[in-house]
Amino acid sequence: GAGVSQTPSNKVTEKGKYVELRCDPISGHTALYWYRQSLGQGPEFLIYFQGTGAADDSGLPNDRFFAVRPEGSVSTLKIQRTERGDSAVYLCASSLTGQINNYGYTFGSGTRLTVV
Amino acid sequence: QKEVEQNSGPLSVPEGAIASLNCTYSDRGSQSFFWYRQYSGKSPELIMSIYSNGDKEDGRFTAQLNKASQYVSLLIRDSQPSDSATYLCALYSGTYKYIFGTGTRLKVLA
Repeated sequence: GAGVSQTPSNKVTEKGKYVELRCDPISGHTALYWYRQSLGQGPEFLIYFQGTGAADDSGLPNDRFFAVRPEGSVSTLKIQRTERGDSAVYLCASSLTGQINNYGYTFGSGTRLTVV
Repeated sequence: QKEVEQNSGPLSVPEGAIASLNCTYSDRGSQSFFWYRQYSGKSPELIMSIYSNGDKEDGRFTAQLNKASQYVSLLIRDSQPSDSATYLCALYSGTYKYIFGTGTRLKVLA
């Protein structure tokens, strides 16, 4: 596609429920990243995929968070037993390779998750 | 101490003035720095990157880097109301990961 697409754009869920957030990267981009941005904060790194594998998942806050990218394209971020503190904008980004160059990488428009 | 520090603002400047946004970082080994602009409710978009000490100009934007003092700044000349946004400073950690500051909210007053 022309850009990084994230769905849904907004998600409201009840505490304790399971949610899935989807990211469709730019076609041909092998690297995919998930960041989380809480209100008034900068984006925080969650996980990086190179192809199908998670090259670095050190930013995932705990084992309730999991992400997959089974075919090396679309990725899904999964959050189990959601808590109110999980409320944030979840940003996905992709780049042609794993190297950041002068062009940085392209962020999607994000999914705003609200846990009530 | 946070790795990237920014004043959250808001920084208010009149239209046509120079807006100066500053950022300090703690890792002396950091090599690459980026400025992203984020409009309210939107995703970050890259404005500039800078790797070497000194100034780098792109249109109305100038990025400045001083590695000895561990700060990076962004100057916006002839500020316009459309420049009102949050400006995020980021350093490049390793080959693929950014560390962002909290951002500075800029308000350009018409």
